[in-house]
Amino acid sequence: QTVVTQEPSLSVSPGGTVTLTCGLPSGSVSSSNQPSWYQQTPGRAPRTLICGTNTRCSGVPDRFSGSILENKAALTITGAQADDDSHYYCLLFMGSGGWVFGGGTKLTVL
Amino acid sequence: EVQLVESGGGLVQAGGSLRLSCAASGFTFNNYWMSWVRQAPGKGLEWVGSIKQDGSVKNYVDSVKGRFTMSRDNAMRSLYLQMNGLRAEDTAVYFCAKWTLSNNWYWIDFWGQGTLVTVSS
Repeated sequence: QTVVTQEPSLSVSPGGTVTLTCGLPSGSVSSSNQPSWYQQTPGRAPRTLICGTNTRCSGVPDRFSGSILENKAALTITGAQADDDSHYYCLLFMGSGGWVFGGGTKLTVL
Repeated sequence: EVQLVESGGGLVQAGGSLRLSCAASGFTFNNYWMSWVRQAPGKGLEWVGSIKQDGSVKNYVDSVKGRFTMSRDNAMRSLYLQMNGLRAEDTAVYFCAKWTLSNNWYWIDFWGQGTLVTVSS
């Protein structure tokens, strides 16, 4: 099964900027992988942040942005807030109808 | 308002079977791909499988192929997951998820709250 890599943990100060990445050890992430990003707090269902072509989903604050950066998918939070302390997962299309989530990043805002 | 409500989870012995259901409302169910996504205790998200709008195409993660079967009843606006040959490693919260497509890009836009499946060994 394909592995999708994310930083296991990151930290950011309130008001700071942080970039989470999503990569493939065996190659580059491109738009053909259709990367999307999800936020999840413990005990709750995931919330979709980035939908298609690096677009924020409905209701998502504009401090969240998605991109493909240096062969990885990236989620940038600009002006982090305490509410952003959470787990973040990327999802990639791997062809033949298969999708793979990254292992997730635990972001701490402190 | 889109709603996805899962049911059918519970405790089952290893080797047993369970059928999960997901009742959908608030959108035209037969227009969208649907999926099951699971999360083992303390672990990350894992895509389990997806089913096309008319049920004609189904894709699964390798670890469940031959044991799990997805189906849907568009008239009943329901998604199902038949799980056979359950193993301890199938213990997880199972989420029902709706996909959407725009500009040739797919993503999951709505999630259910999940149902817990516990497999005892």
